[in-house]
Amino acid sequence: DAGVTQSPTHLIKTRGQQVTLRCSPKSGHDTVSWYQQALGQGPQFIFQYYEEEERQRGNFPDRFSGHQYPNYSSELNVNALLLGDSALYLCASTYPGPGSNEQFFGPGTRLTVL
Amino acid sequence: DQQVKQNSPSLSVQEGRISILNCDYTNSMFDYFLWYKKYPAEGPTFLISISSIKDKNEDGRFTVFLNKSAKHLSLHIVPSQPGDSAVYFCAASEGNYGQNFVFGPGTRLSVLP
Repeated sequence: DAGVTQSPTHLIKTRGQQVTLRCSPKSGHDTVSWYQQALGQGPQFIFQYYEEEERQRGNFPDRFSGHQYPNYSSELNVNALLLGDSALYLCASTYPGPGSNEQFFGPGTRLTVL
Repeated sequence: DQQVKQNSPSLSVQEGRISILNCDYTNSMFDYFLWYKKYPAEGPTFLISISSIKDKNEDGRFTVFLNKSAKHLSLHIVPSQPGDSAVYFCAASEGNYGQNFVFGPGTRLSVLP
């Protein structure tokens, strides 16, 4: 059973460009959350998708947007990249049901903005 | 303003001894707490959790203690093993049904052989 997978592993972009990161949740999971982890910090919540809609959002600008597909996979899009967007982007999935607060994380995508 | 704090960036412990990692939080609405472990080049892995209705939860070598009045929790690892060397994140949420987590900055634990 594959866990949470993310692609690509690494990505280098320049300021002003746009980027799309992809995530496939663990089998049986229907909720996907995205986190940004800057160097030396803990992951910061960006948003969460459930039933193809954004259910919760953290304190991130509108340049960060997402999408969830019917198969529960998800994308994170970042427009007008800034140097400060350089970070590890983590995707996490959760199985459905009450008490389902254990999030399973993927290995992350390392984004470098030059 | 950091809602979840881990004031020790790093900790070194001898193999076989106890490791104690601490976490403080400021949001009194948090009622579910988790510890995650992260190895380099991997995503965080769930370790143990505790609900605010409890003050202790054990799972093998790992025990989490919660002091709600002090808004403090700690993770005890006994006995510590070299494979425990990793970054440990404390996380908190309001509710235990899919709500987003607020993570602390992490503590790097080194267990020396």
